[in-house]
Amino acid sequence: DVKVTQSSRYLVKRTGEKVFLECVQDMDHENMFWYRQDPGLGLRLIYFSYDVKMKEKGDIPEGYSVSREKKERFSLILESASTNQTSMYLCASRPGTVNTEAFFGQGTRLTVV
Amino acid sequence: DAKTTQPTSMDCAEGRAANLPCNHSTISGNEYVYWYRQIHSQGPQYIIHGLKNNETNEMASLIITEDRKSSTLILPHATLRDTAVYYCIVRVKDSGGYNKLIFGAGTRLAVHP
Repeated sequence: DVKVTQSSRYLVKRTGEKVFLECVQDMDHENMFWYRQDPGLGLRLIYFSYDVKMKEKGDIPEGYSVSREKKERFSLILESASTNQTSMYLCASRPGTVNTEAFFGQGTRLTVV
Repeated sequence: DAKTTQPTSMDCAEGRAANLPCNHSTISGNEYVYWYRQIHSQGPQYIIHGLKNNETNEMASLIITEDRKSSTLILPHATLRDTAVYYCIVRVKDSGGYNKLIFGAGTRLAVHP
């Protein structure tokens, strides 16, 4: 069974803290993605990576950074968490070939207080 | 970018077919149409995708109009477990040439007994 695992299901952090959201996939996929999901706004792409050490900005990268040191792991970093980053964060991965399906993790619900 | 429009919500009786429409009038010739669904508190799940021919798999059927400006996802015998938000997505290439999945607000399908 294919698997995308996000390190935490629920997380509560304080304003100004540095936050790491981890995502691991066991399918040897080249491409990995971070989305956030908010009511009424749907899923919005934050960052994606098409290979180890490669990263590209998505539609809303401000306030976030990412790290892809190993193929299986894609980390989302909030350098200084703010309350407007309270959201559901979803990680996805898919093979590098075109027109293949993406697999999503269960999501991390982050609350910044 | 090819955008999609879907009804906000739909209802379906258990055991009946659920037909979910999607408009993608600005789709270009080589862009695929993807369908995902998201059951409450879970990550999105791939359902099906197609280019111009109708497609069927164990979950659903996808009917794409000849002009490719719209499509319909069909769940032939909806069950209560099919209650979810259904996303119709067109894969787009960004300015860097990378394929992205852009999610809209989706259709909230409620299957009732």
